Amino acid sequence: AQSVAQPEDQVNVAEGNPLTVKCTYSVSGNPYLFWYVQYPNRGLQFLLKYITGDNLVKGSYGFEAEFNKSQTSFHLKKPSALVSDSALYFCAVRDDYKLSFGAGTTVTVRA
Amino acid sequence: EAGVVQSPRYKIIEKKQPVAFWCNPISGHNTLYWYLQNLGQGPELLIRYENEEAVDDSQLPKDRFSAERLKGVDSTLKIQPAELGDSAVYLCASSSRIPPDTQYFGPGTRLTVL
Repeated sequence: AQSVAQPEDQVNVAEGNPLTVKCTYSVSGNPYLFWYVQYPNRGLQFLLKYITGDNLVKGSYGFEAEFNKSQTSFHLKKPSALVSDSALYFCAVRDDYKLSFGAGTTVTVRA
Repeated sequence: EAGVVQSPRYKIIEKKQPVAFWCNPISGHNTLYWYLQNLGQGPELLIRYENEEAVDDSQLPKDRFSAERLKGVDSTLKIQPAELGDSAVYLCASSSRIPPDTQYFGPGTRLTVL
């Protein structure tokens, strides 16, 4: 079965600093990888995905993610974090037609 | 374009009572998913529909949970009777069959069973 792991429960950064949220994956075959963000009392919002092609994927709200096959990683990045980026972030891999999610990483951006 | 709509947003019931959640997917999306999200965890798939057919319900606890998607559009997820452990957020998502078939999620229904 396909799976992802998010090794950090929490990430804390100062506003204006770079933000990285880590994700590693375990798949058989080619991975289809996704990042979602969840704000309090809201559903999951799609940020970006990697299907094939360029290893650097650009998404919504200034986020990007780097696919690294040799390290089996798909880390989410933002060059300059905003306080409004504080939320719960999920990495996911498509396993057949369902998504298998990581446990989530809580990001706190302090002013 | 309207997103996935779910209702109610919040529901509080006594244990052993029935409860139902409703979902309206994005227009034109043939595939509909129900996920369960426990506090502090990622969502887990309960059931997937292709049009009106439930093509994957292997994770749905069929003794108390049921779902339907009449006419291949709206869907209803039901729990009867509810147990304390059913307290969670129930998320609905939809996607098209056209690759890259990203799943788009609704706001969820937060269920509290007392």
